[in-house]
Amino acid sequence: KAGVTQTPRYLIKTRGQQVTLSCSPISGHRSVSWYQQTPGQGLQFLFEYFSETQRNKGNFPGRFSGRQFSNSRSEMNVSTLELGDSALYLCASSSGGQNYGYTFGSGTRLTVV
Amino acid sequence: DQQVKQNSPSLSVQEGRISILNCDYTNSMFDYFLWYKKYPAEGPTFLISISSIKDKNEDGRFTVFLNKSAKHLSLHIVPSQPGDSAVYFCAGGTSYGKLTFGQGTILTVHP
Repeated sequence: KAGVTQTPRYLIKTRGQQVTLSCSPISGHRSVSWYQQTPGQGLQFLFEYFSETQRNKGNFPGRFSGRQFSNSRSEMNVSTLELGDSALYLCASSSGGQNYGYTFGSGTRLTVV
Repeated sequence: DQQVKQNSPSLSVQEGRISILNCDYTNSMFDYFLWYKKYPAEGPTFLISISSIKDKNEDGRFTVFLNKSAKHLSLHIVPSQPGDSAVYFCAGGTSYGKLTFGQGTILTVHP
């Protein structure tokens, strides 16, 4: 059974640009969550999608957005990149509902220069 | 407001002994708690979970204890193995998909 796939693995962008990250969940999983990991702030929740609907959102500015497609794949977009957006972005998938089976991908390492 | 705290940044243990990783929380609304293990440049790997209505859950070498009155949970690894060396995160969960993580504890198991 394939795991959670995130692409690309590494990305370098310039301040002011925008970026789109992709996450393919485990087959059959309908919930996708996104997290940002930085050395200073740790792992922080960005948002969660289930059946193409955003069900939950963390405390991030509107520059961070996401969407989910009918095949449960999800994308995350960050516009007007800032140096502080440099981080490891992780997505996690689960079958949905309040179960504990959140499986994480390997992440996308974004560097903003 | 840090709702989940792991006060020990690091822990060093001899192979074969017990590792005890601790976590404190302030949010009484957490419905469940999870422990994840993480290697650098990889995503967290799920280890074990516990519902807020339980006080203990066991899975092989891993046992999680929850003390709701003290708002404290701990992960016991017995016996510890060198391959257990990693960063361990505890997390509290409430509504769907939203996990609140602690800052992590680096566990080093010496052969």
